[in-house]
Amino acid sequence: AQSVTQLDSQVPVFEEAPVELRCNYSSSVSVYLFWYVQYPNQGLQLLLKYLSGSTLVKGINGFEAEFNKSQTSFHLRKPSVHISDTAEYFCAVSKAAGNKLTFGGGTRVLVKP
Amino acid sequence: EAGVVQSPRYKIIEKKQPVAFWCNPISGHNTLYWYLQNLGQGPELLIRYENEEAVDDSQLPKDRFSAERLKGVDSTLKIQPAELGDSAVYLCASSFTGTLNEQFFGPGTRLTVL
Repeated sequence: AQSVTQLDSQVPVFEEAPVELRCNYSSSVSVYLFWYVQYPNQGLQLLLKYLSGSTLVKGINGFEAEFNKSQTSFHLRKPSVHISDTAEYFCAVSKAAGNKLTFGGGTRVLVKP
Repeated sequence: EAGVVQSPRYKIIEKKQPVAFWCNPISGHNTLYWYLQNLGQGPELLIRYENEEAVDDSQLPKDRFSAERLKGVDSTLKIQPAELGDSAVYLCASSFTGTLNEQFFGPGTRLTVL
């Protein structure tokens, strides 16, 4: 069984400041890793994913994440946030051979002017 | 290209009443998922379909929940009877099989049980 822990439930950040959202996972097998964003009253949108290869993954809207196998982490970063980045962010894992996504509890990002 | 469509977007019912949610996946996507998202939590898988076959329904509370995807396209999730604890957002997602798990999500149905 897999599990995902997002260490921060809320992250307030000022506009144009950097932000890092932490995600740790546990699994007995290889996994695929994902970050999704959920804007208010909307479904989840894929930001980026790690399947294999380079451990630094770039996604949409200027986000990037780094896979660290030894730390079992997949932290999400953005060097300069905008007001429009205010949303909830979910880290998720999937077994390499399966389709079920296991999500973390989410991190709410509030960007202040 | 249209995304995943869900209806209704919002539903308010009294406990013990039945309720149904509808999902139309992205055209050509043969895998369909229903997730439950409680307030302040991440989504949890209820059921996954490959075409019309339910291949993972281990998390579906079968005493009151049922789902169908008769023609392998759109799907309906039903609760009968609804309980107060069923208040949540019900998300539908779809994907091609073999696209390494990239799932596309609909906007969800927010259910309130009074």
